[in-house]
Amino acid sequence: DAKTTQPPSMDCAEGRAANLPCNHSTISGNEYVYWYRQIHSQGPQYIIHGLKNNETNEMASLIITEDRKSSTLILPHATLRDTAVYYCIVRIIQGAQKLVFGQGTRLTINP
Amino acid sequence: DVKVTQSSRYLVKRTGEKVFLECVQDMDHENMFWYRQDPGLGLRLIYFSYDVKMKEKGDIPEGYSVSREKKERFSLILESASTNQTSMYLCASGVYEQYFGPGTRLTVT
Repeated sequence: DAKTTQPPSMDCAEGRAANLPCNHSTISGNEYVYWYRQIHSQGPQYIIHGLKNNETNEMASLIITEDRKSSTLILPHATLRDTAVYYCIVRIIQGAQKLVFGQGTRLTINP
Repeated sequence: DVKVTQSSRYLVKRTGEKVFLECVQDMDHENMFWYRQDPGLGLRLIYFSYDVKMKEKGDIPEGYSVSREKKERFSLILESASTNQTSMYLCASGVYEQYFGPGTRLTVT
């Protein structure tokens, strides 16, 4: 799986959009971009994934650049409950595969 | 919504005890996984199962075994608990997206 680079920490004001960047310059054509998050002392939570088109669901939007070397996860109206570590990973979809998280970004939502 | 439940949130066991951690999912997923998570070491795969009665070792299977008698249930067994198995244990199910349970924080004294 391709390596990803994320900032170690970010802050965002409650109610504002939180934009979390991820670099994956060595991504290959059949690798998807996935985002998970982990709130303190809880299990990781799947957020969203995409291949090359932008994706949106009830939790977030995923913007992937045209060259696919980077992406941004957008939480449109951040709340205090969005405070968590966010992990960006790239992976091929095949069979039963383990997840490997990097260091992630610790996002703190401030009141 | 996908739901993955784990039998306990917190567990304290003594060295040498046999420990059972249960995981149940309600989405008819074929794939289920057991991970442990430790500070500085990230998420590590212990075992996974891709069908009933089928199992595969992950990266750190030593000291653990698993059982999958029904599709919705995947159990992790610590045959003889040791202090180095004190950890957060996470169950997940799914294929393209993995859905995790809340975790079991196990302390072995």
